[in-house]
Amino acid sequence: GAVVSQHPSRVICKSGTSVKIECRSLDFQATTMFWYRQFPKQSLMLMATSNEGSKATYEQGVEKDKFLINHASLTLSTLTVTSAHPEDSSFYICSARDPGGNTEAFFGQGTRLTVV
Amino acid sequence: DAKTTQPPSMDCAEGRAANLPCNHSTISGNEYVYWYRQIHSQGPQYIIHGLKNNETNEMASLIITEDRKSSTLILPHATLRDTAVYYCIVRPDNYGQNFVFGPGTRLSVLP
Repeated sequence: GAVVSQHPSRVICKSGTSVKIECRSLDFQATTMFWYRQFPKQSLMLMATSNEGSKATYEQGVEKDKFLINHASLTLSTLTVTSAHPEDSSFYICSARDPGGNTEAFFGQGTRLTVV
Repeated sequence: DAKTTQPPSMDCAEGRAANLPCNHSTISGNEYVYWYRQIHSQGPQYIIHGLKNNETNEMASLIITEDRKSSTLILPHATLRDTAVYYCIVRPDNYGQNFVFGPGTRLSVLP
């Protein structure tokens, strides 16, 4: 099946710094990708919808200036956590669907962010 | 909000069938039933989906009731590696729409 790859899988950063997470669709082109966040023992929560060539759509309560999303190509979306704080520590997951395939979405491996 | 309800947890003996129920009483005619699972510290993994017919693939079977208000995911011979959180999601076939995750069912396969 289609593959979505995230990088890095794990990152530790200092408070106040920025971290970029990449999400790639490896064998299909995705005009739309989704970014989720998952806190311990909780379910996935949608943060934003990333649209190739246009601005991302953010869910209520998600700061667009803090979580910068860039979807510059049909196979790559990036999420940058700016001025990270310890409360941003979480598991970040992206997903995408192959528009030429079936209806299921595929998810990346996830990125464990720890802000110290 | 998730449109499904699932038991929070279940146990299953290794080698036995695991039957995971899901209620989706408000499902619309154009909505599919999807099942994903999430093993600890990994992204969700697609298992199976269906509209109204029962479906089977190499991982599992999906049984959807005739009124489509509930479904059951069946893992025919559960192994320890099937221990995970299983999510049942209903969603229309809309490319630009995300998947909404509820709390899911934590399945523990016991030796």
